Amino acid sequence: QVQLQESGPGLVKPSQTLSLTCTVSGGSISSGDYYWSWIRQPPGKGLEWIGYIYYSGSTYYNPSLKSRVTISVDTSKNQFSLKLSSVTAADTAVYYCARDYRGYFQHWGQGTLVTVSS
Amino acid sequence: EIVLTQSPATLSLSPGERATLSCRASQSVSSYLAWYQQKPGQAPRLLIYDASNRATGIPARFSGSGSGTDFTLTISSLEPEDFAVYYCQQRSNWPSSFGPGTKVDIK
Repeated sequence: QVQLQESGPGLVKPSQTLSLTCTVSGGSISSGDYYWSWIRQPPGKGLEWIGYIYYSGSTYYNPSLKSRVTISVDTSKNQFSLKLSSVTAADTAVYYCARDYRGYFQHWGQGTLVTVSS
Repeated sequence: EIVLTQSPATLSLSPGERATLSCRASQSVSSYLAWYQQKPGQAPRLLIYDASNRATGIPARFSGSGSGTDFTLTISSLEPEDFAVYYCQQRSNWPSSFGPGTKVDIK
């Protein structure tokens, strides 16, 4: 059974870059069947899809965040990562990584809360 | 971007009752719609994909229907563990988008 686990700082200062990593276990990130996504949820609010990456490195980002987002993959470590630049308080959220099969998210990490504050 | 609206915002029901949740899309998403359940402090759980297909391990009391712009999630008889927030999600057009959620709480 595939498992995903997010890791990274829980506190980021305004204007800095948020960096998170998702480690995948129980399955290979290089499987051609899946895409690997980041999704976030501000406290008490709904879900926002951030973007995805394929094992080859091809990406697609939500246009609302595209100018600030970079998603990368390290197949040797079975990990993929998120960088979000120039953060503000509005980027405070629980960040989830998820396995994307045909555009649906069946497997999720537990989520990690990132707070943007000085 | 396709906007999804969900109604009602909150549904107050008793265990054993039938729950009917609605999701409407701003334009047709064909059958490319999913439903998720989220409990406090947990990640969402995929219930239904392609509008009417139950995901692995999902009980038969959950069913989905609809196509185009109007979709319904039905829980035939609420169990105590079903009280949660439910989100719909479309994957017809990128970026993928989620509805604002319907909270099903205990009456």
